[in-house]
Amino acid sequence: GAGVSQSPRYKVAKRGQDVALRCDPISGHVSLFWYQQALGQGPEFLTYFQNEAQLDKSGLPSDRFFAERPEGSVSTLKIQRTQQEDSAVYLCASSLLGGLFEKLFFGSGTQLSVL
Amino acid sequence: AQTVTQSQPEMSVQEAETVTLSCTYDTSENNYYLFWYKQPPSRQMILVIRQEAYKQQNATENRFSVNFQKAAKSFSLKISDSQLGDTAMYFCAFMPRDRDDKIIFGKGTRLHILP
Repeated sequence: GAGVSQSPRYKVAKRGQDVALRCDPISGHVSLFWYQQALGQGPEFLTYFQNEAQLDKSGLPSDRFFAERPEGSVSTLKIQRTQQEDSAVYLCASSLLGGLFEKLFFGSGTQLSVL
Repeated sequence: AQTVTQSQPEMSVQEAETVTLSCTYDTSENNYYLFWYKQPPSRQMILVIRQEAYKQQNATENRFSVNFQKAAKSFSLKISDSQLGDTAMYFCAFMPRDRDDKIIFGKGTRLHILP
């Protein structure tokens, strides 16, 4: 596609529900990142994939957060038993080769509100 | 641990004026990259400008330029001839060069360009 696509754009969940957030990176992009952006804050790193391999998941805040990219393209971020502190915008970004100075292309994010 | 600090939560300037956004960072790394990202209300992060720390020459992209002071660990963004479309959140970001790692963002500066 022309850019990084994320869906849904908005998600409202009741506390305790499971949610799944989808990211479609730019076709052919090797690297994929997930970031969490709380209200009024900068994005914070969650996890990083190179193709289907999850190389870094050090930013996932708890074992309720799980990300996958089984075929090296589309990625899903799953949050189990959502809590109010999970409310944030979840941003996905991709880059062509994952080089250290590569330009990152961001999606418009999914805004998650947990009630 | 690396940190990025943006000391100006919010700024307003008149259209066509020049504005400077401040950023300082803390790191023990010698080789790294610095970035400024723009986030309009659409939430999509857009790369404005980037700087390689080993390059002494300040990066410039059209109306955007940086003042990189490595010894002071300062990386300010200057926007010349500001336009209404420049209204957005601006994030300063850091990434170590010698290892594959995530980008670390500051908390952002909300910039308003007034007509």
